[in-house]
Amino acid sequence: KNQVEQSPQSLIILEGKNCTLQCNYTVSPFSNLRWYKQDTGRGPVSLTIMTFSENTKSNGRYTATLDADTKQSSLHITASQLSDSASYICVVSARGNKLVFGAGTILRVKS
Amino acid sequence: EAEVAQSPRYKITEKSQAVAFWCDPISGHATLYWYRQILGQGPELLVQFQDESVVDDSQLPKDRFSAERLKGVDSTLKIQPAELGDSAMYLCASSHGTVEAYNEQFFGPGTRLTVL
Repeated sequence: KNQVEQSPQSLIILEGKNCTLQCNYTVSPFSNLRWYKQDTGRGPVSLTIMTFSENTKSNGRYTATLDADTKQSSLHITASQLSDSASYICVVSARGNKLVFGAGTILRVKS
Repeated sequence: EAEVAQSPRYKITEKSQAVAFWCDPISGHATLYWYRQILGQGPELLVQFQDESVVDDSQLPKDRFSAERLKGVDSTLKIQPAELGDSAMYLCASSHGTVEAYNEQFFGPGTRLTVL
């Protein structure tokens, strides 16, 4: 069964600190992996999209990594800001045009 | 910057009533998606359109849910009758092509439905 699991479920960090969110997937056949940021009460916004041949992709203070062999991805946030407080969702696209969503990691940045 | 528009943003209804949600995708986007997101979970695909045709509605509860995209532009999702378990965020998204083809998917702000 195609699944995407994210950890931790929730995370609280101090402003200015770094953090890493994890994503493990069992989606096959793999097409691409996406990370989205979803603010409370809003729709998700894309942060990165990676194919199997890409190991790292950055978007400002967000850096995503992908290990297609172990089927793991991570999202690293550098120098966190209060505005980073949101849910971060890992989404894997399977060939055949299917998107499989993780449940998300809720990040709260405290001052 | 072009955005996916949805209305209403919030809807409160009583069970057994009919509700309808509207979505206007980004201009030129052929693919349109309706998702349901229960609090604390990731979005679940309900239906996907390619232009005016349904390409995937395998997870759509067809006894009470219906969706249409008559002219291949905007779309309407309807629930009749609404049940308590339908309370969720309903998200619309669009993309230029298919997600398999590495196309970015843009989401609207969603409609928060509460069924009393």
